[in-house]
Amino acid sequence: AQSVTQPDIHITVSEGASLELRCNYSYGATPYLFWYVQSPGQGLQLLLKYFSGDTLVQGIKGFEAEFKRSQSSFNLRKPSVHWSDAAEYFCAVGFTGGGNKLTFGTGTQLKVEL
Amino acid sequence: EAQVTQNPRYLITVTGKKLTVTCSQNMNHEYMSWYRQDPGLGLRQIYYSMNVEVTDKGDVPEGYKVSRKEKRNFPLILESPSPNQTSLYFCASSPSGGTLHFGNGTRLTVT
Repeated sequence: AQSVTQPDIHITVSEGASLELRCNYSYGATPYLFWYVQSPGQGLQLLLKYFSGDTLVQGIKGFEAEFKRSQSSFNLRKPSVHWSDAAEYFCAVGFTGGGNKLTFGTGTQLKVEL
Repeated sequence: EAQVTQNPRYLITVTGKKLTVTCSQNMNHEYMSWYRQDPGLGLRQIYYSMNVEVTDKGDVPEGYKVSRKEKRNFPLILESPSPNQTSLYFCASSPSGGTLHFGNGTRLTVT
């Protein structure tokens, strides 16, 4: 069965600093990988996704992620964080079975200091 | 506007009182599913449906029922809610092999 690990429960960065959120997955085949963001009281917004091809994926709001098969990782990065990026971030792995089921990590709460 | 609509957004109920959370999508998606979100556990799939009258269990189906009588609607039914079902619930839809679109969530409290 697939699984996703987000080792950092909380991360605090200063506004303008760079950000990297870690995600490791376990899955027997080539994964579909996603990053979602959830602002307080809001639903889930898709930041970016990897299905195949170029391993560096660009997303919305200036985020990018890199798929590294050898490390089973899909880390999310942003070169300069804005205060509005404070939210909870979820990494997920998907496959076409189970009705396009996603298996989520436990999330990383990002705090941005001004 | 393409969207997944859940109702209600907030619900407080008592143990044992049957409730239904509605979910509707206007994108003609084949697949629909329900997830629950709990602190420290992320989101877990409850049930999913791959088409009308086709439903199956996800990872945490106990205590829940679903139905898919129409393509656009996928209600979640708790026939006898218990406090351990207090959670944030998300409905999602997607085309076959496509990306999930999530609703805004329903926060359920069972006392």
